[in-house]
Amino acid sequence: EVQLLESGGGLVQPGGSLRLSCAASGFTFNKYAMSWVRQTPAKGLEWVSTITISVTNTFYADSVKGRFTVSRDNSKNTLFLQMNSLRADDTAVYYCARRVTGDIVFDIWGQGTMVAVSS
Amino acid sequence: DIQMTQSPSSLSLSVGDRVTITCRASQNVVSFVNWYQQKPGKGPNLLIYSASTLHSGVPSRFSGSGSGTDFTLTISSLQPEDFATYYCQQGFITPYTFGQGTRLQTK
Repeated sequence: EVQLLESGGGLVQPGGSLRLSCAASGFTFNKYAMSWVRQTPAKGLEWVSTITISVTNTFYADSVKGRFTVSRDNSKNTLFLQMNSLRADDTAVYYCARRVTGDIVFDIWGQGTMVAVSS
Repeated sequence: DIQMTQSPSSLSLSVGDRVTITCRASQNVVSFVNWYQQKPGKGPNLLIYSASTLHSGVPSRFSGSGSGTDFTLTISSLQPEDFATYYCQQGFITPYTFGQGTRLQTK
């Protein structure tokens, strides 16, 4: 079964850091670009970041650029999101998603991990 | 950023109803629009990509149309499992933006 499983969410103080992981299974991980998308009741779904297959290119939303870093370990079928200088408006459910080859289409999503930034 | 505006934001419906959800892009996105279904506590599921192509395994009662700035998701005959929230998304240019969602509720 094709599956993505996020972990690493939790409660963190403003200015703190958190590292999210996404374990992939059921497909050849190193053949797909991967993305992070977050969701809040107020702002809905918001694309956060994408990393290409070979880690050659990474892309970020302006709201997280310079604070978040996406990476992947193809040998471990795992996607990461390092989040630094966290702010209250980073509070969200974070999803990892598989990107269809050649198009900006997210065909497989995880169940999400909650990140809460609060003092 | 490209704004994706969905309407309506919610609908009260009955099983068997025909449903039409619209999504308008703030600029031309050609046919790079996708539609997702989301149920509470779950990640979204892809329904339609490239405006009108049905994703593998998705029932044929779902269909999509449109190009340029105006797009439509249609459910021909609503089934009990279709009560959920639906989102459009543009994949034309970063940032890849989503509509605010349309929630289908039981009448």
